Amino acid sequence: EIVLTQSPGTLSLSPGERATLSCRASQSFVSTFLAWYQQKPGQAPRLLMSGASNRATGVPDRFTGGGSGTDFTLHINRLEPEDVAVYFCQQYWSSPYTFGQGTRLEIK
Amino acid sequence: EVQLVQSGAEVKKPGESLKISCKASGYTFTSYWIGWVRQMPGKGLEWMGIIYPRDSDTKYSPSFQGQVTISVDTSISTAYLQWSSLKASAPAMYFCVRSGSGWGEPFDIWGQGTMVTVSS
Repeated sequence: EIVLTQSPGTLSLSPGERATLSCRASQSFVSTFLAWYQQKPGQAPRLLMSGASNRATGVPDRFTGGGSGTDFTLHINRLEPEDVAVYFCQQYWSSPYTFGQGTRLEIK
Repeated sequence: EVQLVQSGAEVKKPGESLKISCKASGYTFTSYWIGWVRQMPGKGLEWMGIIYPRDSDTKYSPSFQGQVTISVDTSISTAYLQWSSLKASAPAMYFCVRSGSGWGEPFDIWGQGTMVTVSS
C-alpha cells in the first residue's frame, strides 16, 4: 500500500499570499496518477487536480500542481477567503487507492 | 448534469444490517467505475472499494474487505454499500464517487454523503 504524507498539517496565511502544500509518497509512482481534492467545511470533497498538474473543470488558474516520483506539490496563488478548506492528495496508481491525511488551509 | 444523490442519514444499533444507496444521473451508469469513501468526523478520507457496473467487477481495500459489500442495480443506475452486521463505532460519513471509464482514474464526481451512526 502506498502511504501519502501531507505537510504541513495546518497552514495559516493571509489573503493574497501563496500557499505551498506538499504530498510525499512512500514509494515512487507515475505522476499521471496523483490527484488533489478540496473539501470546504460541511461539503463533500471536489476534484481539484488530476495527473498531478491538470486542473479540473472550473478550477481557477491560481491553483497549480506538479511533482514526480515521490514528491508532489500544490500551489495556491493569490489566496482568497474562499480557499479555506482541507486539501487531500490521492494516488490512483495502485490498489488500494490511498489519500493523504490532509492539509488544513486557514486564511487570517 | 452529472450527479450522484445518496440516501439519507441512518441511525442503527450494533448487529443490525444496513444498505445505503447512491443514484447516478446525467451519464451512462454502466460505463464508469463507482466507489465508496469513508470519512470519520474530523478525519481524512479512506477508500473502501469500487465497482464497474457493466460487469460488477469489484475491488476492495484490504481494510474493508469482508466488512462491507458493494453492489449495483443497473436498471435504476444505483450503487449500494451494505453491512450485514454493524459494529458500534463513531459516526462516519460515506461518500459515493465516480471514477473514470478505465481503471486508474480520479474521482471526478462525489455524492453529498450519507452519515451513519451505530450506537446501542
